[in-house]
Amino acid sequence: SYVLTQPPSVSVAPGQTARITCGGTIIGSKSVHWYQQKPGQAPVLVLFDDSDRPSGIPERISGSKSGDTATLTISRVEGGDEADYHCQVWDTSGDHPGLFGGGTKLTVL
Amino acid sequence: QITLEESGPTLVKATQTLTLTCTFSGFSLRTAGMGVGWIRQPPGKALEWVAIIYWDDDKVYNPSLKSRLTITKDTSKNQVVLTLTNVDPVDAATYYCTRKRGYSHVVGFDRWGQGTLVTVSS
Repeated sequence: SYVLTQPPSVSVAPGQTARITCGGTIIGSKSVHWYQQKPGQAPVLVLFDDSDRPSGIPERISGSKSGDTATLTISRVEGGDEADYHCQVWDTSGDHPGLFGGGTKLTVL
Repeated sequence: QITLEESGPTLVKATQTLTLTCTFSGFSLRTAGMGVGWIRQPPGKALEWVAIIYWDDDKVYNPSLKSRLTITKDTSKNQVVLTLTNVDPVDAATYYCTRKRGYSHVVGFDRWGQGTLVTVSS
């Protein structure tokens, strides 16, 4: 079965650029979605279809994909960006339609 | 304004059946392609997709839970109900109700409820 692999943690100083990766063999053929989850809150969709932003999501948040790896990039990181970030793929042809990565804790130093 | 709200017991005993209700507003499950589903998250752990039901009553379940799951909808009440039988302590989690606007893989879960924490006692 497919697996989405994320680094457990990423740390970045304010004003710098954070990059969070999501790897998996299914990524090359399916869209990747990203969710931001702040402590004690529900996740929020911040990117869909690899790189599209829902309304209200700042342009500092962007997405890309190359081969089997998708990347969420946050430019000019702020303290308010500190959160868990989850990648997700939808594949009803596989044995696990709604697949999530393990999540990455972004720490702003 | 789009909202989703989960309701149900906060504590269930092992082997019992868990029934959760999602009541939503601001959209309709009569809309072509619309789906409402459930995602859960054990404390301190990753998100796990559980099930989804679409406007046309198509249902998709997490294969690892499928034998214990039932998802239904009441379009007139704007509600989706999830039933999980024979619960185990490993089913303890925050359960989120979510919306998915379409069957396609290019669509994510664009709205979430605040979640409801379910504890399972052994």
